[in-house]
Amino acid sequence: EAQVTQNPRYLITVTGKKLTVTCSQNMNHEYMSWYRQDPGLGLRQIYYSMNVEVTDKGDVPEGYKVSRKEKRNFPLILESPSPNQTSLYFCASSLSFSDTFYPYNEQFFGPGTRLTVL
Amino acid sequence: GNSVTQMEGPVTLSEEAFLTINCTYTATGYPSLFWYVQYPGEGLQLLLKATKADDKGSNKGFEATYRKETTSFHLEKGSVQVSDSAVYFCALSYGNNRLAFGKGNQVVVIP
Repeated sequence: EAQVTQNPRYLITVTGKKLTVTCSQNMNHEYMSWYRQDPGLGLRQIYYSMNVEVTDKGDVPEGYKVSRKEKRNFPLILESPSPNQTSLYFCASSLSFSDTFYPYNEQFFGPGTRLTVL
Repeated sequence: GNSVTQMEGPVTLSEEAFLTINCTYTATGYPSLFWYVQYPGEGLQLLLKATKADDKGSNKGFEATYRKETTSFHLEKGSVQVSDSAVYFCALSYGNNRLAFGKGNQVVVIP
């Protein structure tokens, strides 16, 4: 089954304790992205990756790191979490422009990770 | 810049009622437009899309038409069901495969 998986699904942690949220896709997609969803703000992009070893900042990258060493994985790292990073996080993947004739890119989303930082 | 504006507030309606959710956008160039749906406890799923002006996207009884002259992409459904209760996001695509999302509208359908 084609899917994007995230782990963990739920996490409660304390300020300053480093954590990693994993994301994996089995669709051979080049493009992967992380979003956070907050009430009244919709989804905002944190980081994205066009391909292996290629990452770039989204709209709200402060306090986050990412890496893309393999095509299928795109972990999100919080080196020193703070309470304002309490949020619902989504990973997504899609084909890149070069792999499709269509001028749009359907992004496939993971089930989400609900993070609480105390 | 690129941005999407959705009407404020949740939408509550009775089963079989007509649903409209307004979406307007600001964009440079010619974006593609999308509606995503998020069911409780799940990630977002693409509901429908339109890639150029006057295109109509449709799926599961939902429709939206890409209106360049009014920069709008309003979502409509003629007769909603309880199973349509979800959060609906309007979005547009721009450079580097990026998506700009609206804030979303919670839709609650009452039996």
